[in-house]
Amino acid sequence: GAGVSQSPRYKVAKRGQDVALRCDPISGHVSLFWYQQALGQGPEFLTYFQNEAQLDKSGLPSDRFFAERPEGSVSTLKIQRTQQEDSAVYLCASSSTRVGREQYFGPGTRLTVT
Amino acid sequence: GDSVTQMEGPVTLSEEAFLTINCTYTATGYPSLFWYVQYPGEGLQLLLKATKADDKGSNKGFEATYRKETTSFHLEKGSVQVSDSAVYFCALRGANSKLTFGKGITLSVRP
Repeated sequence: GAGVSQSPRYKVAKRGQDVALRCDPISGHVSLFWYQQALGQGPEFLTYFQNEAQLDKSGLPSDRFFAERPEGSVSTLKIQRTQQEDSAVYLCASSSTRVGREQYFGPGTRLTVT
Repeated sequence: GDSVTQMEGPVTLSEEAFLTINCTYTATGYPSLFWYVQYPGEGLQLLLKATKADDKGSNKGFEATYRKETTSFHLEKGSVQVSDSAVYFCALRGANSKLTFGKGITLSVRP
C-alpha cells in the first residue's frame, strides 16, 4: 500500500492483559515514530526509530511500554499489564531522509482497557 | 522543553466566514512549524508547513506565517467551506525530529 498501515484498528483489553500493536511504514522510510493520543488531546511522542535503532524512547510512560523494529521496517509497540490509563489512540508515523522529512501518519489503533 | 499552545475551542462558523486559529510555541533553536488536520473518521494529514522565520505555508486556501518575533503560527482562511469541518492541530519539530502538538481545535462550518 501507499500509506502507513496499523493493525489492529481497534483493540479491547482487560486490565492486566498484554497487547501488541503493529505498524507498517511507507516502504523505504527510514524513520518511524509512535505517538499516544488521549481523548480530546493532541498526540504525544512515545518513541523514535531510525532503521532498527531506537534513538529516543523518552516519551514511553513506564517500563510496561516496549517498542521494537528488528529489521528496520515493521514496528511493534507492546504494552504489558495494561491499565485503564493506557486507553488511547496509538499513532504510528514514518518519514524518509529527504529534505523536508514530513511525517506521514497511519490511521491509528484505538486501545480500550476495561 | 518544547510546547505548543492553541486557542480554546470549539469554533463554529458559517460558510464563507473568515477563519483564524491561533497557535503559539516555545522551543529552543529553530523549529519547523506545521498544521495538521484530522477529518472525521480519517487519520492525521499534513495541511501546511514552514521551516524558517517569515516563511508562509499554504494549501487548500489555508495560510500560516512563521513569526519568530511573536513565536506564532496562526492559521487563516478567507472563506471556509462545510468540507473544512475537522480537528486542526498545530505542531513543531525540533532538533530531535519528534513532533510536539497542541491540544487541537474542532472547527464546525454551518451551511
